[in-house]
Amino acid sequence: DIHMTQSPSSLSASVGDRVTITCRASQSISSYLNWYQQKPGKAPNLLIYAASTLQSGVPSRFSGSGSGTDFTLTISRLQPEDFATYYCQQSYSTPWTFGQGTRVEIK
Amino acid sequence: QVTLKESGPVLVKPTETLTLTCTVSGFSLRNARMGVSWIRQPPGKALEWLAHIFSNDEKSYSTSLKSRLTISKDTSKSQVVLTMTNMDPVDTATYYCARIDKFGSKFDSWGQGTLVTVSS
Repeated sequence: DIHMTQSPSSLSASVGDRVTITCRASQSISSYLNWYQQKPGKAPNLLIYAASTLQSGVPSRFSGSGSGTDFTLTISRLQPEDFATYYCQQSYSTPWTFGQGTRVEIK
Repeated sequence: QVTLKESGPVLVKPTETLTLTCTVSGFSLRNARMGVSWIRQPPGKALEWLAHIFSNDEKSYSTSLKSRLTISKDTSKSQVVLTMTNMDPVDTATYYCARIDKFGSKFDSWGQGTLVTVSS
């Protein structure tokens, strides 16, 4: 199985900050990497797929980059509604696997 | 509008078999580009992918849970069913079904989830 590791596990940030979350795969996954946002008590929501393609309807302050084993999710200017937990997921091969999540909290 | 809705028991006893149903609308289980996955999340923990099924009946399972899982579909009813045998308290989780778009193998629509508690 491909293991996904996110860092940090949590972070505190202020509205307007630039936030970067990293995700590392245990082997090369090309660009088969998706990012999801999950708010408490809700189902996850797809933000970015294929490492850098913004899902329809997702604000442009979200962006993704990377290929191979190292990926990043960036929120350019953090908004109040962005405080949530973020997960990466590899779609290179089954079993598909998720990272352990990064919780973004209000500073 | 694409929707998915999970249904099943909220409480199961240890050693029992769990059966969950995902009823979909807004897309067809005959669509070659789409499939349905089951994903779970124990309270306060990360997401864990369990299984998927596509229109051609292609199936795949979590490595660690393969021996306990069975996924199937009833296209005429727009339903995908997951069974998990020999339930244990560690299987307590919110179980989600999600649509898979083969283009990117991304989970682009999710059900609201159903919390299943395993307890005697």
